[in-house]
Amino acid sequence: DIHMTQSPSSLSASVGDRVTITCRTSQTINNYLNWYQHRPGTAPKLLIYAASNLQSGVPSRFSGSGSGTAFTLTISSLQPEDFATYYCQQSYSNPRTFGRGTKLEIK
Amino acid sequence: QAQLVESGGAVVQPGGSLRLSCEASGFTFISYAMNWVRQAPGKGLEWLAIISFDGINTYYADSVKGRFTISRDNSKNTLFLQMNSLRPEDTAVYYCAKEGQHLGITSRPGRYGMDVWGQGTTVTVSS
Repeated sequence: DIHMTQSPSSLSASVGDRVTITCRTSQTINNYLNWYQHRPGTAPKLLIYAASNLQSGVPSRFSGSGSGTAFTLTISSLQPEDFATYYCQQSYSNPRTFGRGTKLEIK
Repeated sequence: QAQLVESGGAVVQPGGSLRLSCEASGFTFISYAMNWVRQAPGKGLEWLAIISFDGINTYYADSVKGRFTISRDNSKNTLFLQMNSLRPEDTAVYYCAKEGQHLGITSRPGRYGMDVWGQGTTVTVSS
């Protein structure tokens, strides 16, 4: 199974800040890496697919990069609605594992 | 628009069984693989299972392999998760999620992620 290492596990930031979340995989997955946002009590939401492709309807302040085993999600200017938990997930092979999540909190 | 609605969550005793359903609408259900994902209290998302668009191929996480069965009825646009031998650690919110790749092959990498999710249904395993 592919192991996902996501960091940091939590992050405090302010509205307007630029933040970056990192995800590393235990083996190469090319670019089969997705990012999701999850707010409590709601359905998870796909933000980025195939490492760097913005899902339709997602604001352009979200961006993804990386390939192989190292990936990043960047939010260029945090908005109040961005405070949530973020997960990376590999779709290269089954089981399609998630990272442990990064909880983004208001400073 | 595409929508998924889960149902069937309940309180069940350890060792018991439960079947979850996920009704799809707003997209061509038969053309997409489907997933189940869960979130235990205070924990992160855990991928559980995937089923191919035609229902032939299935894959499971080790944590549920042999106890849970994913299936689908394409004539009713419905996905199922049969859960047997339930344990307290299976307590979670269970989500169904649609694969983004049209006619994707589940044994191959999936490029488009899980693009539509339901709101979840709660399963509590407790005596």
